[in-house]
Amino acid sequence: AQTVTQSQPEMSVQEAETVTLSCTYDTSENNYYLFWYKQPPSRQMILVIRQEAYKQQNATENRFSVNFQKAAKSFSLKISDSQLGDTAMYFCAFMAPFNTDKLIFGTGTRLQVFP
Amino acid sequence: ETGVTQTPRHLVMGMTNKKSLKCEQHLGHNAMYWYKQSAKKPLELMFVYSLEERVENNSVPSRFSPECPNSSHLFLHLHTLQPEDSALYLCASSQPGTTLPGELFFGEGSRLTVL
Repeated sequence: AQTVTQSQPEMSVQEAETVTLSCTYDTSENNYYLFWYKQPPSRQMILVIRQEAYKQQNATENRFSVNFQKAAKSFSLKISDSQLGDTAMYFCAFMAPFNTDKLIFGTGTRLQVFP
Repeated sequence: ETGVTQTPRHLVMGMTNKKSLKCEQHLGHNAMYWYKQSAKKPLELMFVYSLEERVENNSVPSRFSPECPNSSHLFLHLHTLQPEDSALYLCASSQPGTTLPGELFFGEGSRLTVL
């Protein structure tokens, strides 16, 4: 069975600084998808970034980028130039291609951005 | 109207009560999901409906009863709940084959407290 582990329950960062959130996963699959979802306080969870395992290039979305290390089964999220609006819970998630849209989530990391 | 709407936002009920959570999506998606979010635990997938048919039931106790009368509406009927069922219940939708794989659209959640 696939599992997703986020070992940092809480993180904090000062505005304009860079922060990295960690995620590891366990699977025997070779092809799969990885995601970072953001859940702001009392607001809807939204997809931040996704990575397809067969792509070696790390995904990037504006200030958000990932460091995907397939052999190590590691998938960290880097947020550059942190903004107050980045304060949220961040969930790492895994999906096997044959289980379309059935996501396995981690426990989340609560990120606080300070002015 | 936002994409996925959940009501009520907050619900307090006794263990002998019967209540229902409602989810409505205005995105034209054909798949809908119930997730349970508890503190310090991974998001738990409870039920998946595709084209109004239940395709996934992750060993959820029978005190939780889902209903999907059409592709836009999803209910979670609650009865004889336990205090450990207190959590944030999230509804999500997607359109496999059209939305990006793994891209779920979430509601804001219904915060349930069982006394």
